[in-house]
Amino acid sequence: GIQVEQSPPDLILQEGANSTLRCNFSDSVNNLQWFHQNPWGQLINLFYIPSGTKQNGRLSATTVATERYSLLYISSSQTTDSGVYFCAVGSNYKLTFGKGTLLTVNP
Amino acid sequence: DAGITQSPRYKITETGRQVTLMCHQTWSHSYMFWYRQDLGHGLRLIYYSAAADITDKGEVPDGYVVSRSKTENFPLTLESATRSQTSVYFCASSTIIQGAKTEAFFGQGTRLTVV
Repeated sequence: GIQVEQSPPDLILQEGANSTLRCNFSDSVNNLQWFHQNPWGQLINLFYIPSGTKQNGRLSATTVATERYSLLYISSSQTTDSGVYFCAVGSNYKLTFGKGTLLTVNP
Repeated sequence: DAGITQSPRYKITETGRQVTLMCHQTWSHSYMFWYRQDLGHGLRLIYYSAAADITDKGEVPDGYVVSRSKTENFPLTLESATRSQTSVYFCASSTIIQGAKTEAFFGQGTRLTVV
């Protein structure tokens, strides 16, 4: 099956800092999503981005499908950005998740 | 409310008991999924369903049973719960749009503890 690797596994930032999270995957995919799992455990959809670049406020994401990686950018981080960020990839409807990046934003 | 809801949110059960986790979605999405989340493993697919009465195994199906008699419901049953099934369970749904888009949306999760 598809292998998904996320880096870094842990990241600690001061409020206001920028960060880049990476997701590498081992095979061609036509579905890639980024999720934020908040401290209450809820999985929140951030981006559906099998290719290209998207932006939503302080967050943006880029997927280079031919090179099998995706990047999630967080700018001017806030304490509410804390949590685990998951990349999930798949062919059509089934998703394989990476192990996530645990982000801690300190005030 | 529209969306995907799971019940119960928290459950404690004893080893050997049967327990059913419920999942209901109001979008009429074709596909529904059950994942479990464990420390160090991320989320892993247990079972999925492409439509009513069509189900198939995922990565970790042993010890679980699913059914889908109606499009909107996808219950997950642990026939004889074991401590290794202590986990957080997530239900999800997605649909295919224009032959390509298959964005998945997740329920709030059910935290199951088997004692």
